[in-house]
Order: sequence, then C-alpha cells, then structure tokens
Amino acid sequence: DVVMTQTPVSLSVSLGGQTSISCRSSQSLVHSDGNTYLYWYLQKPGQSPQLLIYKVSNRFSGVPDRFSGSGSGTDFTLKISRVEPEDLGVYYCYQGTHYPYTFGAGTKLELK
Amino acid sequence: EVQLVESGGGLVQPGRSLKLSCAASGFTFSNYYMAWVRQAPKKGLEWVATISTSGSRTYYPDSVKGRFTISRDNAKSSLYLQMNSLKSEDTATYYCARAQSMVTHRGFAYWGQGTLVTVSS
Repeated sequence: DVVMTQTPVSLSVSLGGQTSISCRSSQSLVHSDGNTYLYWYLQKPGQSPQLLIYKVSNRFSGVPDRFSGSGSGTDFTLKISRVEPEDLGVYYCYQGTHYPYTFGAGTKLELK
Repeated sequence: EVQLVESGGGLVQPGRSLKLSCAASGFTFSNYYMAWVRQAPKKGLEWVATISTSGSRTYYPDSVKGRFTISRDNAKSSLYLQMNSLKSEDTATYYCARAQSMVTHRGFAYWGQGTLVTVSS
C-alpha cells in the first residue's frame, strides 16, 4: 500500500499568517494515464471532510485562492495564505492513483 | 445542490451484519462513481469501497474485502454498503462520497454527514 506521510502533525498559526503542509508518498503518484491523483481535504471540527485541491494543484469549486497546491511525483505541498478562522481543522492528503486508495494521518491547524 | 444522506448505522455485535444506505440527490446519480470512506473515533480517514457507475466494478482494500459489499440502485439514486462478519475495528463513522467528476473517479468531491457504526458486545 502507498503510505502517505504528512508533516507536521500539528501547526499553530496566527490569523492572517501563512503556512504550509507537506505530504510525501512512498511511491510515485503519477498514474499510467498521466494524471497525478493527489488531493487535499479539510475536515473542520464536527464536520465531514471537504475537498480543497484535486490533482495536485487544482482548486475545487468555491475554494478561495488562499489555498494552493504544488508538487510532483512523491512530494507535495499545500500552502495556506492569509489564514482565516474558518481554515482551522485537520488537513488530509489523499492518493487515488494506486489501489488501495490511502490518506495521510492528518495535520491539525490551530490558532496561535 | 448535491446531497448525500447516510442511514443504517447503529450498535451491532461482533460477527453480525449491518447494511448502510446513502440517498443521493442534486445530481445525476447514475453518471458518477460512488464510494464509502470511514473514520474510526478520533482517527484518520480510511477508504472502504468504490463502485462504478453501472455497478459492474467494485474495489475494496484488504481490510474489508470478502466481508463488505458495495452496491447501488441507480433507479433509486441510492448507494449501499453491506457489512458482514463485523469486527470491533470496524467501529467508525461511515461516509458516503461522490466521485469528483464523471471523468475523474479517483477522488471524492462531496461527502455525506456520516453514520456511526459501533461494533461491540
């Protein structure tokens, strides 16, 4: 199985600040169809996960441009700029390239 | 508006069975792959099953293969998860999720609110 390693486990950030989360996969996430199925989700307290970024760097509908994704192969990053209160929660990376699909363990974003 | 509403969770004894349902609305159900994802209490997310648009193809991780069966009824816009031989480690909130798009089925764009399954004697 592909292991998704997220760092850090937790982050403390000031409102209006900027931060980033790293996600590394144990094998390349480039699919034979040429796509890289690396996604980022945010789970706010008491809520279901919500899609932020799909296929490495594409923002999902309604996601503010404060969120950006980058990376390739096995190394990916989610950047959050101008952090707002509604950004707090647990961020998960996820790979849909290889079966079984797998998630990272999560990164908890808290206010400083 | 896309809506996914799960039901069927509850307390069940180890070794018994339970069937979850997910009612979908706000999109053409038959055009999208669907999936179940679970989350054990205070833990991370685990993909459980995916089903193709017609239901002819299904995919599972080894942790549930042979015990869980995903199915769908496109006429009723409904998704199901039959869970047999339940174990304590199956205790989790189970989310119904819709594929990102009709073309890209490997990620999930919409999630239900989840239904809690507790396996305990």
